[in-house]
Amino acid sequence: DVQLLESAGELVQPGGSLTLSCAASGFSFSTFAMNWVRQAPGKGLEWVAGSGGTGSGGATDYAESVKGRFTISRDNSKNTLYLQMNTLKLEDTAVYYCTKGKGHSSSSAFGHWGLGTLVTVSS
Amino acid sequence: QSVLTQPPSVSGTPGQRVAISCSGSSSNIENNYVSWYQQLPGTAPKLLVYTNNQRPSGVPERFSSSKSGTSASLAISGLRSEDEADYYCAAWDDSLRGVVFGGGTKLTVL
Repeated sequence: DVQLLESAGELVQPGGSLTLSCAASGFSFSTFAMNWVRQAPGKGLEWVAGSGGTGSGGATDYAESVKGRFTISRDNSKNTLYLQMNTLKLEDTAVYYCTKGKGHSSSSAFGHWGLGTLVTVSS
Repeated sequence: QSVLTQPPSVSGTPGQRVAISCSGSSSNIENNYVSWYQQLPGTAPKLLVYTNNQRPSGVPERFSSSKSGTSASLAISGLRSEDEADYYCAAWDDSLRGVVFGGGTKLTVL
């Protein structure tokens, strides 16, 4: 079975940094696209960033709201996805979900979701 | 303001058929696949329908999707109380070079 386990979220001050990780199991990790999707408290879903599988040449894409501040990466040898978040803002407060794509491209549907981890940005 | 537009809420009675609309543009829905997600209260979203009306294993045939031009729709037939949830549409956007979501639709089963 596919399992996606996000690292524990934290309380971070505005302007601070945090790196989330997502340990994946139950599938050929390198083959599939992996994405981060977030949900602010009481709000809808927002795509954050995507990392293509080997079939897409490992392309990365970012939402405009995080471009230049967040970096998505993956370690295929460890079956782990990362999201490095810098210069955090109050509006980055959200539950962050790790997702597995149905295919190798970041444009493929999010077939599996982790349970999510809460990141709170507050002073 | 979401790139894809969904009605904030829809409702129906058990056994009824309801539809949730999702409106976009030529840079997203018209030229890319649409996927639909269900989020039950307090849980992570779950993929319901994707690509050309494909359903992951375990998703009932009661859930189906369609697309015409820049709009898509999720239909739920034989409505059940456990279908009460938030529903989101999503698609790749060629102009933004990213995935865009609808604002979500809350389905209430009366």
